[in-house]
Amino acid sequence: SYVLTQPPSESVAPGQTARISCGGHNIGSKKVHWYQQKAGQAPVLVVYNDVDRPSGIPERFSGSNSGDTATLTIGRVEGGDEADYFCQVWDRSTDHVVFGGGTKLTVL
Amino acid sequence: QVQLVQSGAEVKNPGASVKVSCKASGYTFTSYYIHWVRQAPGQGLEWMGIINPSGGRTTYAQKFQGRVTMTRDMSTSSVYMELSSLKSEDTALYYCARDRVNYNMDVWGKGTTVTVSS
Repeated sequence: SYVLTQPPSESVAPGQTARISCGGHNIGSKKVHWYQQKAGQAPVLVVYNDVDRPSGIPERFSGSNSGDTATLTIGRVEGGDEADYFCQVWDRSTDHVVFGGGTKLTVL
Repeated sequence: QVQLVQSGAEVKNPGASVKVSCKASGYTFTSYYIHWVRQAPGQGLEWMGIINPSGGRTTYAQKFQGRVTMTRDMSTSSVYMELSSLKSEDTALYYCARDRVNYNMDVWGKGTTVTVSS
């Protein structure tokens, strides 16, 4: 089955840029989606189809995807960005949705 | 507004079954698939399966095949997820989520806590 690998944690100072990676075999050939989950809340879609943002999501959130790594980039990080972030793809070979293990972003 | 409203918390004994509901409103029920995703305490997100409210077609994660059943009721714009032969490891928060397109989820319910304990 397809596996997505994320670092368990990342930390960043306010105002800096956070980059959260999501590794998978030839992930560049798939559409990657990213979710933000704050403590005690349901996940929120922040990036879909590698690079698109749902309405209401700040432009500070952006995505990229190539080769074996997809990346969620959060610019000008704020305290309110502290959350768990999950990447997700659909694996055509199994017709299954797959989530990464999640990355806890800490704002210093 | 678009929302998914889930049923309340459940406590079940090992070996029992649980049925969680998810009522859609604010959009055309039959136009969007619904996913079920669960999250064990302190853990990540785990996909359980998807249902097409229009025709009722389902796809279940291999891990849950034989134990999960997803259904829909078009008269109430609701979908249901039933999980049988419950084990303590099934203790989790269960979410329903609308599939936007390309298998991403743009609207989530608030989750239903299922506790399996004797």
